[in-house]
Amino acid sequence: EAQVTQNPRYLITVTGKKLTVTCSQNMNHEYMSWYRQDPGLGLRQIYYSMNVEVTDKGDVPEGYKVSRKEKRNFPLILESPSPNQTSLYFCASSLRGSAAYEQYFGPGTRLTVT
Amino acid sequence: TQLLEQSPQFLSIQEGENLTVYCNSSSVFSSLQWYRQEPGEGPVLLVTVVTGGEVKKLKRLTFQFGDARKDSSLHITAAQPGDTGLYLCAGNRDDKIIFGKGTRLHILP
Repeated sequence: EAQVTQNPRYLITVTGKKLTVTCSQNMNHEYMSWYRQDPGLGLRQIYYSMNVEVTDKGDVPEGYKVSRKEKRNFPLILESPSPNQTSLYFCASSLRGSAAYEQYFGPGTRLTVT
Repeated sequence: TQLLEQSPQFLSIQEGENLTVYCNSSSVFSSLQWYRQEPGEGPVLLVTVVTGGEVKKLKRLTFQFGDARKDSSLHITAAQPGDTGLYLCAGNRDDKIIFGKGTRLHILP
């Protein structure tokens, strides 16, 4: 089954404790993204990757890191989480990096930083 | 600056009524997409429009791309409770994908 998986689905952590949210897709897609979704602000792109070893900043990259060592995986790293990073996070993938191609979204990770 | 403005933000109507929601921009887009998101899930693609003036139908949903490719609309005929959800439009800005803030639609039985 074609899918994007994210783990964990829920995470409560404390300020400053490094964490990683994993994302994996099985569709051989080139383009992968991370978004955060906040009430009143909508979905905002954090980072995106056009292909392996190619990553770039989206609209809200501060406080986040990503890597794309393999085509299928695109982990999101929070080196020192802060309460303002409490949010609902989505990973997505598409064949190419264009809004002409369908983005497939993971189920989301709800992160709370206290 | 919000490149994709969606209106209305919220809409609550009775089952059976018709409705239209909008996605507007001052920028030209090569294509626009509409997604629907249900609580606790990721967005799911409904349609992609790529040609100015294009109209696409998906059962009771009709999508239109503006002639100038700066705006799009979604019209729902005879709304049903199953149409309840958050409707998002999305487009490219260079290599980035941007979303509007969405229209939250609630259909009352």
